[in-house]
Parts: sequence; structure tokens; C-alpha cells
Amino acid sequence: EAGVAQSPRYKIIEKRQSVAFWCNPISGHATLYWYQQILGQGPKLLIQFQNNGVVDDSQLPKDRFSAERLKGVDSTLKIQPAKLEDSAVYLCASSARPTGTGGNTIYFGEGSWLTVV
Amino acid sequence: TQLLEQSPQFLSIQEGENLTVYCNSSSVFSSLQWYRQEPGEGPVLLVTVVTGGEVKKLKRLTFQFGDARKDSSLHITAAQPGDTGLYLCAGAPGNQFYFGTGTSLTVIP
Repeated sequence: EAGVAQSPRYKIIEKRQSVAFWCNPISGHATLYWYQQILGQGPKLLIQFQNNGVVDDSQLPKDRFSAERLKGVDSTLKIQPAKLEDSAVYLCASSARPTGTGGNTIYFGEGSWLTVV
Repeated sequence: TQLLEQSPQFLSIQEGENLTVYCNSSSVFSSLQWYRQEPGEGPVLLVTVVTGGEVKKLKRLTFQFGDARKDSSLHITAAQPGDTGLYLCAGAPGNQFYFGTGTSLTVIP
């Protein structure tokens, strides 16, 4: 079974530029998550989708970050304009069932590493 | 304020030593999970604990869920260099899935 696919793996941009990350979850997984992880820290949830609807985006900096999952399958996370503090790993994850459902397992992609200079 | 606080944040030990990592919250969780993340990789699930007081063993790793289901611990016996990584607890008090602050473990040969 193919895992969660993310691209690009690495991106270096200048501040004030824009960047987009793509995620293709495991086939059939209804729930998709985007996390931001600063080096050495735990991942912070940015946005959670259930199919193509947003479950939670309370920690998404909406003035510069946006995410969509138009057809309920793959998803794109965009940052515009980027700031130095956005340098982090952006992890996409998916699960078959909604969070909080018994026996639910979340699978992670390898992450997209962003450096803003 | 973090929902799940882990301690210690950093740990550097010699091969063969034992260690314990703690995960604490003021919220009650129906279950807690532990992940390990290696550099350049996404987190990988180690175990899920679901019952208050539950103890699960995975080779040299022992996981415990607190009786009140607000805390958990991970104990590693006779640590090896391959145990090096970032250890994360995680759970969902509602319908959002949160990670702990993380414990970075380095095992020195």
C-alpha cells in the first residue's frame, strides 16, 4: 500500500516569496492533516480536513497560509508571503476515520522542508 | 500553552542506561499514542494505550497510561544508539489530534 506522498521534499525561498506544498493521502483516507514542525519540537496542527470540509483550522495563520482539498483527495498548502519564522517541516498525514474514533491510526508523509532566507 | 507537555525536552545518555519520558496533560484522553521520529522522516506510530492504568511492552520499551487517562510514560531499558530520535506523545481530547512538545533522545555508543 502506498504511503502519504508529499512534494517537494525541500524548498528554499526568500522572505516575501510564495510557496506551495502538495499532499496525496493514502487511498481511501477521508481525514487529512497538515502539521508544522519546528526542528526538535512536536508538530503543530495547522488544518484538518474531513473529506473536502475543514474540521479545524484554528491554528492556521490565515493572513498568509491557505489550504484546500477541493475533491476530497489530495491537498495543497500555500504560504504567501513567507516569513523567516515559517522555516519548518510541513507534514501531511491521513487517517481512514475521523480523529477520536477508536482504533484510528494516523499515517505521516516524510514532510516538506522549507527554509526561508 | 501546550495541551501535552513532555519532559525532559532533551536527553543524552550512554548506551545501556535506562530512561523514562513523561507526557502530561490537564485534559482527559480516550487514548494516547507514542511516536518516534527520526531525522528527515515523518513520525512513526509505536503504540496506542487506551485503558487507564494500562501497561504495554514493545521489546525494551514499556508504555504506561495513567489511571486518570491524563498522562503517560515511556520507559526504555538498556538504551541503544538505534533508539536515538524524537519521541512524541499524541492524542485527541476531542476531534483534533495534538502532539506533545517532544523529547529528543540521543544514545551515545
